[in-house]
This record gives sequence, structure tokens and C-alpha cells, in this order.
Amino acid sequence: EIVLTQSPGTLSLSPGEGATLSCRASQRLTNTYLAWYQQKPGQAPRLLIYATSSRATGVPDRFSGNGSGTDFTLTISRLEPEDFAVYYCQHYGRSPFGPGTKVDV
Amino acid sequence: QVRLQESGPGLVKPSQTLSLTCTVSGGSISGGNFYWSWIRQPAGKGLEWIGRIHSSGSIHHNPSLESRVTMSVDMSKNQFSLKLSSVTAADTAVYYCARDFVGAAGGTLYNWFDPWGQGTLVTVSS
Repeated sequence: EIVLTQSPGTLSLSPGEGATLSCRASQRLTNTYLAWYQQKPGQAPRLLIYATSSRATGVPDRFSGNGSGTDFTLTISRLEPEDFAVYYCQHYGRSPFGPGTKVDV
Repeated sequence: QVRLQESGPGLVKPSQTLSLTCTVSGGSISGGNFYWSWIRQPAGKGLEWIGRIHSSGSIHHNPSLESRVTMSVDMSKNQFSLKLSSVTAADTAVYYCARDFVGAAGGTLYNWFDPWGQGTLVTVSS
């Protein structure tokens, strides 16, 4: 069973800065279809990226996904105030979600 | 635009059965690559997938909850439902329903959840 780990646990940044979030799989992902979600307090998660690098409908192009094998990244090129949230990576499986990375001011 | 809305009691007594329904609007619950999933999140913690159901009747479970979970689909009402039996305080969480796109590539499966319902808090307490 593949386990996803995310780092760092918390990323403290300021608006305008760039953010790089890491998601590592315990085994090589043979189909590399990884998704990323954003969750703000009191809200449901929102799909940002699917199939590793495809942006979901309405997602700004400052969000990008990349990776293969066991290492994947979500990059936010310039943080906007609304981007401060928790981000989860996800792959198909019985425990599909990583533990999350909080992007904090 | 597909929307999902959870409904059900917000308070359940220990040892009883939690029952939730998700109503799908703006699209049909039937057919295609779409499954329909339940996911939960205890306060301040991460996301736990509970299980998924397809309109064909195909069901996938999280093994850690499988013995207590029952899922069903009502295509006439465009709804799907979750029952979780023998609940304890550890089952207290926000429960989300979500559309679950499941595909196959290279002999393995992939999926993503989109969209999600707004979530409903279920508290297990006497």
C-alpha cells in the first residue's frame, strides 16, 4: 500500500513569495496520477491539480504541479492572500491522502 | 455544474448507526467513470477516505472501516448514502461527499475527487 508523506508540515511565507510543497510516495507511482487539493478553514477541500500537472477548472496559473516516480511538487509562483491554506496530495489507494502542508503567513 | 450536498443528523449516540445522504444536482449520478465517495475529517486533522460507490453497484471500501460501512445509491433521487454502524467518539468528524473520477492507465487505477460537498459535522455523544 502506497503511503504519501508531505513536507514541510508548515511553510511560513509572505504574500508575493513563491512556495514549493513536496509530496513523496513510499513506492514509485506507476501511473503518476497525483492530485493536489487546497483547503481553507471551515471549507471543503478544492481540487487544484489532477494527473500530476493539469490544473482544474478555474485554478489560477500561479499553481503548477510536477513530478514522477516517488517525488512530486506543487508550486505556487507568487502567493496571494487567498492562497494561505492547507494543501493535500492524493493518489489512488486505501489511504489516498497525504497528511497536508499548511502554508502560513 | 455539479453540486453535492450532505444531509443527516448532526448528533449520534455511541453504538448507534450514523446515516448520511448526499444529494447530487446539476448532473446525473448514473454511469461513466464517476464513482461517488465519502471522506471524513476529524477536527484539526487530515482527510480519511471511507469508501466509494458506482451507480452499477460496484463498491470500494477503506479496509479499516469496511466492517461497519454500508453504501447505497438511489438513482431515482440522484442520491447516495452512507451508514456507519457501532459508532464511537472516534467517528466524530466532518463528513464530506465527493464525486470521484476513477480511471486506468498502465494497468493501475487513478482517481481524483471533484467537486466536494460542503461537509456536515457529525458528533458522536450520549
